[in-house]
Amino acid sequence: QKEVEQDPGPLSVPEGAIVSLNCTYSNSAFQYFMWYRQYSRKGPELLMYTYSSGNKEDGRFTAQVDKSSKYISLFIRDSQPSDSATYLCAILLTGGGNKLTFGTGTQLKVEL
Amino acid sequence: NAGVMQNPRHLVRRRGQEARLRCSPMKGHSHVYWYRQLPEEGLKFMVYLQKENIIDESGMPKERFSAEFPKEGPSILRIQQVVRGDSAAYFCASSPFGSLGSGANVLTFGAGSRLTVL
Repeated sequence: QKEVEQDPGPLSVPEGAIVSLNCTYSNSAFQYFMWYRQYSRKGPELLMYTYSSGNKEDGRFTAQVDKSSKYISLFIRDSQPSDSATYLCAILLTGGGNKLTFGTGTQLKVEL
Repeated sequence: NAGVMQNPRHLVRRRGQEARLRCSPMKGHSHVYWYRQLPEEGLKFMVYLQKENIIDESGMPKERFSAEFPKEGPSILRIQQVVRGDSAAYFCASSPFGSLGSGANVLTFGAGSRLTVL
């Protein structure tokens, strides 16, 4: 079993839709959760960062963590064509050094 | 602030040659990380370095791969005697402090170096 599972997509939605991106993880010791966005041929850029269960909102983006289910989500409201990218969840193990464990990424396309 | 700078952006090598990838961290960052991204796979941790020290190389293949971060100059990821399976995007990231997960101490990634082995 992979430490982090993420549906690779591709996911195609119309402009303005609400997008839900998800990851599950297996190790309950994971404590820090991040979402990165990666445009084609570019490096990942940090979107959201959280370390607790619950919701964290930043503009059109909401990160949600459910530690009891080992499930994390990223919601994008009012999606735009510029949101078309690959979204990577990343998780950090407490006391496990500085190694982020990434999901494989979900490819999102927002169509006009 | 120029961000994390990687070069070359694209590198083509024949089997058996050496590849050297360079990374200059963000200004003020003294912690450097290398990740590899294979096609259809997520980013995989390779190595974590501070100036003149390798802190964690648990993700590095045992042979042919090495990394350094000298007192002066960029971090270098070196792959000797490349094989086709080394073809991938290699990303460098940096952080201002150790102990990722504390406050805003998160990774900033460069644009990557794409290695193609013929």
